[in-house]
Amino acid sequence: KAGVTQTPRYLIKTRGQQVTLSCSPISGHRSVSWYQQTPGQGLQFLFEYFSETQRNKGNFPGRFSGRQFSNSRSEMNVSTLELGDSALYLCASSLDSTPGTDTQYFGPGTRLTVL
Amino acid sequence: AQKVTQAQTEISVVEKEDVTLDCVYETRDTTYYLFWYKQPPSGELVFLIRRNSFDEQNEISGRYSWNFQKSTSSFNFTITASQVVDSAVYFCALNSGTYKYIFGTGTRLKVLA
Repeated sequence: KAGVTQTPRYLIKTRGQQVTLSCSPISGHRSVSWYQQTPGQGLQFLFEYFSETQRNKGNFPGRFSGRQFSNSRSEMNVSTLELGDSALYLCASSLDSTPGTDTQYFGPGTRLTVL
Repeated sequence: AQKVTQAQTEISVVEKEDVTLDCVYETRDTTYYLFWYKQPPSGELVFLIRRNSFDEQNEISGRYSWNFQKSTSSFNFTITASQVVDSAVYFCALNSGTYKYIFGTGTRLKVLA
């Protein structure tokens, strides 16, 4: 079975631009979560989607948004990029019809650099 | 409030030494799940183990073993006879049946040849 895939793997943007990151979960997985990882803040939860619905959201500004499609693929968007948005963005998928009981499997991440 | 503490920021050991990574968690829930993940330099978090709050049995998988103690709210991870390939950042995580995993800050393990 193929693992979680994320595209692109690397991105360089400038302040004020917007960016869209993509995540394809493991086949059969319906839950997709997004995390931001930075050296200073560690792994921080962004949001989680299940069956095209956002079930939970972390403490991030409205510039961070996401969506999930009917095939469970997910995208996240960051608008008006700031230098502090430079990070590794990780996507994780799980079967998860019952929250927290299934293991999350992570993709390789997208490394975003904002100049 | 839920919290995961990995007090060891970085550990360096010489190959073949045993090493224990500490994880202390806080939760008021009686049902919860604990996880360990490994993050090699490539960046991808690799799942290692999941343990639920009702199963305090220790687990061994090859050179890896885990010690879960509810009395001290700890879920420690030991690597026996460490190898250079074990060099990575290791994360402990907690989930109490919500949609959000709480991760510790990670422990960077350096295994020197």
